[in-house]
Order: sequence, then C-alpha cells, then structure tokens
Amino acid sequence: GAVVSQHPSWVICKSGTSVKIECRSLDFQATTMFWYRQFPKQSLMLMATSNEGSKATYEQGVEKDKFLINHASLTLSTLTVTSAHPEDSSFYICSARGRAGELFFGEGSRLTVL
Amino acid sequence: QKEVEQNSGPLSVPEGAIASLNCTYSDRGSQSFFWYRQYSGKSPELIMSIYSNGDKEDGRFTAQLNKASQYVSLLIRDSQPSDSATYLCAVNRANQFYFGTGTSLTVIP
Repeated sequence: GAVVSQHPSWVICKSGTSVKIECRSLDFQATTMFWYRQFPKQSLMLMATSNEGSKATYEQGVEKDKFLINHASLTLSTLTVTSAHPEDSSFYICSARGRAGELFFGEGSRLTVL
Repeated sequence: QKEVEQNSGPLSVPEGAIASLNCTYSDRGSQSFFWYRQYSGKSPELIMSIYSNGDKEDGRFTAQLNKASQYVSLLIRDSQPSDSATYLCAVNRANQFYFGTGTSLTVIP
C-alpha cells in the first residue's frame, strides 16, 4: 500500500509554544490529506481536510487559527499547533487517499504540552 | 443516527478461534468499505477493503459486504494473540470517510 510518513513521532513542549508536524506521502502524490486527532481510548476525530494549493477545510469546532494547516506541495502537508496548551495534548494522525480511494495513515505524532 | 456503528466490545476469543467483527452503516449511498487495525498507541493500519457485495479473502482475513442489509463484517480465522487490537470499520461516501468507534479484540493464548 501507499506510504505516508509523519514527523515527529512524539514531541514535548512547554505551554504557549508552537509545534509543527509534517506529513509526507512518499510514493504518490496527494492532492488531499486529512488530519485527525485521537484522545486516549477515544475514536478518531477528523480535524481538517488539507487541500494542495488552497485553504484547508476545518471541521466544526476546530479553531483554524490555532491549528494551522499548510499543503504547499503534492507530497507535504503540515499542521502547526499554535500557542499549545495542555488540553491540546493528543495523538495527531495524518492520512492520504490512495489510488483505490482507501485512506493510508501516517505513524502519528504524540504531543504532550507541559 | 451514526454513519457507522460498531459494537465497542471488548470481544475475547481463544487463540485459534474465529473472531467475527461487525459493522453497520446508515447511508445506502456508501460506496466503499474498509477495515483498519489499530494497536494501542499506534495509528490505524489498513487491512481490508471491499467494494462489492460478497466475500473478499486475504490470508486469514475475510471481509463480507451486504449492501441490502447495510452491514460489513470482518472474520479473522486462526486468531493469534498478535491480532489483539482495536478494529475500525470505515465507510467512504461522496469522498468523505466515516469511521466507527472501533471494536476491541483480545485473543487469549
């Protein structure tokens, strides 16, 4: 299947700082990528749809000014958590759609805000 | 009504048995169907996709789709302790993905 790589796999930061997470499609071009968040023992929550060359589409309740998404190329989308606070601590996962329409997920990035 | 519903479990089966996981979806316009496995602390991994009615087999896994009844199932034969994970059912409709909350499976050695 298609390969989606995410970096970093874990990050610890101080409250008030910003953290950038990268998501790359390694062997295919992804015009659309998706960002999910998952709290412990809960289901995946779609945060936003990242569109190459245009603005991201955010799900209801997700602050676009706090979670900045940039999709500048067909193989790279980034999620920046600005002014992170402890309640932003979570598992952030990106995904991209493969040729048959299936979703492939990155390894995930575990964010801990102190 | 949720787009995709799964029994959260936990489901426990002994090693070597068949594990049966079920999923129902609400919209008949749903076009494609997927099963993901998610180990604790890891991201979901695609294990099966199915697009038409009937069975699709891949190794120890068989996905079954019944569009008339709007259900999708996953059978795991000869279950192994390494199959212990949460299994997510996903449905693609109009280019939107909808995930169930997952079924937790434990295979007991």
